[in-house]
Amino acid sequence: EDKVVQSPLSLVVHEGDTVTLNCSYEVTNFRSLLWYKQEKKAPTFLFMLTSSGIEKKSGRLSSILDKKELFSILNITATQTGDSAVYLCAVPAGYGNKLVFGAGTILRVKS
Amino acid sequence: DADVTQTPRNRITKTGKRIMLECSQTKGHDRMYWYRQDPGLGLRLIYYSFDVKDINKGEISDGYSVSRQAQAKFSLSLESAIPNQTALYFCATSDFAPKPGTSGRETQYFGPGTRLLVL
Repeated sequence: EDKVVQSPLSLVVHEGDTVTLNCSYEVTNFRSLLWYKQEKKAPTFLFMLTSSGIEKKSGRLSSILDKKELFSILNITATQTGDSAVYLCAVPAGYGNKLVFGAGTILRVKS
Repeated sequence: DADVTQTPRNRITKTGKRIMLECSQTKGHDRMYWYRQDPGLGLRLIYYSFDVKDINKGEISDGYSVSRQAQAKFSLSLESAIPNQTALYFCATSDFAPKPGTSGRETQYFGPGTRLLVL
């Protein structure tokens, strides 16, 4: 059964801290892994990772994939209150790229 | 204008009622999806459609049905709503064959969500 597990489930930090969010997966025929940020409503796309070891960066966010150990991490440096959100990890699986989502990590950044 | 829209945005209904949630997109994507989101369970796939003639069940399709009226429209129906269908519902689209320079075919674009409460 295809599975995506995220940890921690929730996290509270202070502004300026660095956080690392984890995502492990078990899927057949792995193709890619996606990270989304969900604030009040719909998830918004952050990164798609397809190759091991190549870090994707967008401002203070970065992500890396390890296809051998079947996990990805999302790093946020110098956190701000606007980073408070649910971060979702997802992997396409099965017939036609249906996304399997993890339960998400709730991040709260306190000022 | 938003690329993926959902109506209604909020709905309260009673047990046993039939309701329909609608999704429209202007992205020109062939693929459309319906998810529900519950606290602690993440997003779970209800139904998905790869074109107007191709509709497939997701992991939690019982109690739901869908209709793909056109490439741009994908509706989700609850034939007889029950309280455990109270959730946040999202529609999403994706492009199987993206144009060069776009982010990739597995990327899904989500609507704003419909919050449903079944009493």
